[in-house]
Amino acid sequence: EIVLTQSPGTLSLSPGERATLSCRASQSVSSSYLSWYQQKPGQAPRLLIYGASSRATGIPDRFSGSGSGTDFTLTINRLEPEDFAVYYCQQYGSSPLTFGGGTKVEIK
Amino acid sequence: EVQLLESGGDLVQPGGSLRLSCAASGFTFSSSGMSWVRQAPGKGLEWVSGISGSGTTTYYADSVKGRFTISRDNSKKTLYLQMNSLRAEDTAVYYCAKGSQIMVRGVPLEFWGQGILVTVSS
Repeated sequence: EIVLTQSPGTLSLSPGERATLSCRASQSVSSSYLSWYQQKPGQAPRLLIYGASSRATGIPDRFSGSGSGTDFTLTINRLEPEDFAVYYCQQYGSSPLTFGGGTKVEIK
Repeated sequence: EVQLLESGGDLVQPGGSLRLSCAASGFTFSSSGMSWVRQAPGKGLEWVSGISGSGTTTYYADSVKGRFTISRDNSKKTLYLQMNSLRAEDTAVYYCAKGSQIMVRGVPLEFWGQGILVTVSS
């Protein structure tokens, strides 16, 4: 099973700042089958990034993903008020599919 | 418009059984791999199980293998999760999620239902 470790656990930032979230895998993620999801309180997760760097439909270009192998990054440029939420990475290349523990981006 | 509507959540005693359903609309159901993902209160996401579009290939997390069974009825556009031998640690909101292609592996979860609460307690 591929274990995903996200850091930091919490990120305190102000609107307009850049957020950099990390996701590290215990073994290489095949074909960069790595996605990022955003979840707000009381809501279902929403797909942001798939294939490590491709934005899902309707996702603003201030969200970008990068990385390969075992190290992946989600960057949010110029944080908007609606971006404060919890973010999860997920690998979907091998079974069982696994999620990271999440990073909460909160308002400073 | 893609819609996924979960139902069947309830309060059940430890050792009991429950079947969740997820009614799909707005897309070609048989062309999408589907998964169940759960979230315990105040915790993170845990993938539970997945099934290919044809229903011939299934996958399970170790934590539910042998107790849960995923299935689908493409004629009814409905996904199921049969949960047996339920434990307190199965208490969670259960989401059904749609893959972007017919498989499970190699496919991101592009759309999620709103979730249904399952509580296992005496």
